[in-house]
Amino acid sequence: QSALTQHASVSGSPGQSITISCTGTSSDVGGYNYVSWYQQHPGKAPKLMIYDVNNRPSGVSTRFSGSKSGNTASLTISGLQAEDEADYYCSSYTSSNTLVFGTGTKVTVL
Amino acid sequence: QVQLVESGGGLVKPGGSLRLSCAASKFTFSDYYMTWIRQAPGKGLEWVSYISSNGRTMYYADSVKGRFTVSRDNAKNSLYLQMNSLRAEDTAVYYCARIPRSGGSCDYWGQGSQVTVSS
Repeated sequence: QSALTQHASVSGSPGQSITISCTGTSSDVGGYNYVSWYQQHPGKAPKLMIYDVNNRPSGVSTRFSGSKSGNTASLTISGLQAEDEADYYCSSYTSSNTLVFGTGTKVTVL
Repeated sequence: QVQLVESGGGLVKPGGSLRLSCAASKFTFSDYYMTWIRQAPGKGLEWVSYISSNGRTMYYADSVKGRFTVSRDNAKNSLYLQMNSLRAEDTAVYYCARIPRSGGSCDYWGQGSQVTVSS
C-alpha cells in the first residue's frame, strides 16, 4: 500500500491555472475510475473537491476539474484565487479493496 | 446538514488501548459505508479502515491490521475504532468520514480526534 506520488508543492499567480498530478499504478489509479481529490486548509478537515476522476460535488467551484491518463490523475485549478491556497490530496480505490492517499501537494498563490 | 462527531481520543502509553467513537446525525447512517482516516502531525492523510453499511465487511491498512478493529452500531448511529497495541507512530488526528458511493470518495468528514501515544 504505497502512497500515490504527488509533487510536494505547486505555485501560481492569481488568475492563472495550475495542475496537480497524482501517480499510482495499474492496481489503483490506472485500474479504476475511482480517483478523488481533497482540499485541506490548515487545522481543518479535508473537503471533497472531485470524485470518480472528474465529478464535482454540489457546491464545489467549476474552477476545479479532474482527469486521468493511464496511471496518472490530475487536478486542474483554473482562475487561481487566494482562497485556493491549501494542501491537496488525491485518493484512489485499489485492487486490494482498500483506499490509498497521495503524498499531498501544497498549493501556494503568489 | 450531515454531522460526524468523533470522541474518545487522548494520551495513551505505548502498548495501550483506546476506543474512538464517531456519532453520526442528519442522514440515514445504516445506508452508508464509513471510514477512518488519520493524519500524523505535519504529515499527509493515511487511510486506516472502512466498514460496509451492514457492518459485515471491513478492510484495514497494513499498518494497523491485527491491532485495530472497526465496528458500527446502526441502531445508535455510531462508528467505532478499537485501537490496541498502540505505537508512537499511531499518533495522529483521526477522522471519520462517510462514503456515499462505490469507489471510496468521502463526502463528509468529522472534525477529528487527537490520539497521542507517548510514555
